[in-house]
Amino acid sequence: GQQLNQSPQSMFIQEGEDVSMNCTSSSIFNTWLWYKQDPGEGPVLLIALYKAGELTSNGRLTAQFGITRKDSFLNISASIPSDVGIYFCAGQLRGGSNYKLTFGKGTLLTVNP
Amino acid sequence: KAGVTQTPRYLIKTRGQQVTLSCSPISGHRSVSWYQQTPGQGLQFLFEYFSETQRNKGNFPGRFSGRQFSNSRSEMNVSTLELGDSALYLCATRGGGGDEQYFGPGTRLTVT
Repeated sequence: GQQLNQSPQSMFIQEGEDVSMNCTSSSIFNTWLWYKQDPGEGPVLLIALYKAGELTSNGRLTAQFGITRKDSFLNISASIPSDVGIYFCAGQLRGGSNYKLTFGKGTLLTVNP
Repeated sequence: KAGVTQTPRYLIKTRGQQVTLSCSPISGHRSVSWYQQTPGQGLQFLFEYFSETQRNKGNFPGRFSGRQFSNSRSEMNVSTLELGDSALYLCATRGGGGDEQYFGPGTRLTVT
């Protein structure tokens, strides 16, 4: 099946630093979604991207839909301790009634106060 | 608007038993998808239901099944449990028109 390569696998940063993570795919997607998951909880949707080249912000988070439709990145500016968690990218290829999400393996973010 | 709810949150079962998990979607959401999350395989798609019909299915054995009711609530069933079925089972719901899927807190299943 489709594979998403998400990098880096983990990051350890100081509070206040900016963070960048990305996902690449072997095939195109119509939609890219970014989620954050805290321990023992379900993923929470952060940003949804629908058009190639689209740049969308949500507070300190900014995400972009790559122009090739095979990649996306997420930036977090001025990180704070509550940014700690696992960040997942997910791609969706809409065709007919196909709404299956394909997920990356996640980026574990640790923020040192 | 209330979020996606899943019951139970935790479950311990023995090999060979079966289990049923429940998901109640956000009000107005008619699409319910199920995912399995494990440390080794990550998040994997199980199946999606819309208007009581299974529209899409992932690569899981037939022991994994589901259904959706007229009020859009969904259940998934796993029969003849195996140790490898231990995982966090997540459901995600989607409203009409958009692609965003909203996840519930999950059911942590442990098979001993």
